[in-house]
Amino acid sequence: SQTIHQWPATLVQPVGSPLSLECTVEGTSNPNLYWYRQAAGRGLQLLFYSVGIGQISSEVPQNLSASRPQDRQFILSSKKLLLSDSGFYLCACAAGTDYGYTFGSGTRLTVV
Amino acid sequence: GESVGLHLPTLSVQEGDNSIINCAYSNSASDYFIWYKQESGKGPQFIIDIRSNMDKRQGQRVTVLLNKTVKHLSLQIAATQPGDSAVYFCAENLNDYKLSFGAGTTVTVRA
Repeated sequence: SQTIHQWPATLVQPVGSPLSLECTVEGTSNPNLYWYRQAAGRGLQLLFYSVGIGQISSEVPQNLSASRPQDRQFILSSKKLLLSDSGFYLCACAAGTDYGYTFGSGTRLTVV
Repeated sequence: GESVGLHLPTLSVQEGDNSIINCAYSNSASDYFIWYKQESGKGPQFIIDIRSNMDKRQGQRVTVLLNKTVKHLSLQIAATQPGDSAVYFCAENLNDYKLSFGAGTTVTVRA
């Protein structure tokens, strides 16, 4: 079964600072990878997904970007954080949608 | 579809009672559905799934029912326990790459 490592668990960053969140996957090859954001008490918003190395699809225009430099590594970045970037960020992987997603433990980002 | 801007619906249930959580899905062509449980501060965890060629599937204390006629999915939890308090999300596969998550339901178990 797949295991997702996501870090850090919590992060407090000032407005205008850069961001880099990393997610790595074990137990599968060539997975689909996803970044979600969840505001407090809200649902899951898909930000980016990737079906292969270097292939990134963006779901919503925003201040964030994603990269997939290796098969099992997915990175979420920002050059300059905004207050509205605060939230709970979740990485997920899937061998295909027929198998559902496995989620990481999430990163709580607070932009101050 | 996604309802990321909405406050989540809530369900309060007495410990020991059965819980029923409902979900309406959007795509009549979806052929795979999943329920997830998310505890506070954690990532969602897989509970149970069902394919469109079935209308019922049972797990340990959980049952998922699928009604394709009205595009409705439900999760039944038997003998609800305090550890069942969480947010529950349904999901449907939209295409080969993406799942679409419902708004989520917050379940609170009363002692």
